[in-house]
Amino acid sequence: DGGITQSPKYLFRKEGQNVTLSCEQNLNHDAMYWYRQDPGQGLRLIYYSQIVNDFQKGDIAEGYSVSREKKESFPLTVTSAQKNPTAFYLCASSRGVDTQYFGPGTRLTVL
Amino acid sequence: GENVEQHPSTLSVQEGDSAVIKCTYSDSASNYFPWYKQELGKRPQLIIDIRSNVGEKKDQRIAVTLNKTAKHFSLHITETQPEDSAVYFCAASSPMDTGRRALTFGSGTRLQVQP
Repeated sequence: DGGITQSPKYLFRKEGQNVTLSCEQNLNHDAMYWYRQDPGQGLRLIYYSQIVNDFQKGDIAEGYSVSREKKESFPLTVTSAQKNPTAFYLCASSRGVDTQYFGPGTRLTVL
Repeated sequence: GENVEQHPSTLSVQEGDSAVIKCTYSDSASNYFPWYKQELGKRPQLIIDIRSNVGEKKDQRIAVTLNKTAKHFSLHITETQPEDSAVYFCAASSPMDTGRRALTFGSGTRLQVQP
């Protein structure tokens, strides 16, 4: 767990604004993931990437975008097209489709 | 694709009692089943996992059982303590050569251990 960092811890967004959430890992993991968690709910997969320069949509990709230019980094952009972005965002990484280790999360609030 | 159902959604037990959380999965090709514990406002933490080539795994007070025929797996916590209070998630994943290369999570069980 200590090898995955997310920033910022808290983020506030005005309506119509794009924001980018950072996720970095030093575990040398090939795969990285983004999840969204709403209060009292489970984890919903937004995007995932099994290798550099490649990524796939998860279950709720609309209104989000990602890039994977480096193995260590998998930033998530929440665009203005995402109408209800207030949530807890968790990044994770794994060596394959295997044990995932989560970052500490970013709590995004729309003002 | 894979679908994971988890029951119950909430579970309250007395300290010292056992707790059991059950999950079913739909994809018979799934071969890896982790369990995560999430405390309020924190990240999910892996507590135990099992692969499809074994039927049971134990780690101190925590055990997981897998029934591949019935496609269900369960988390067992014995001698529960107040610090076991958290939300528990099960998950399942398919081999690398299938289309979805990611874990599918259950909806979570909120466990409350009453002192």
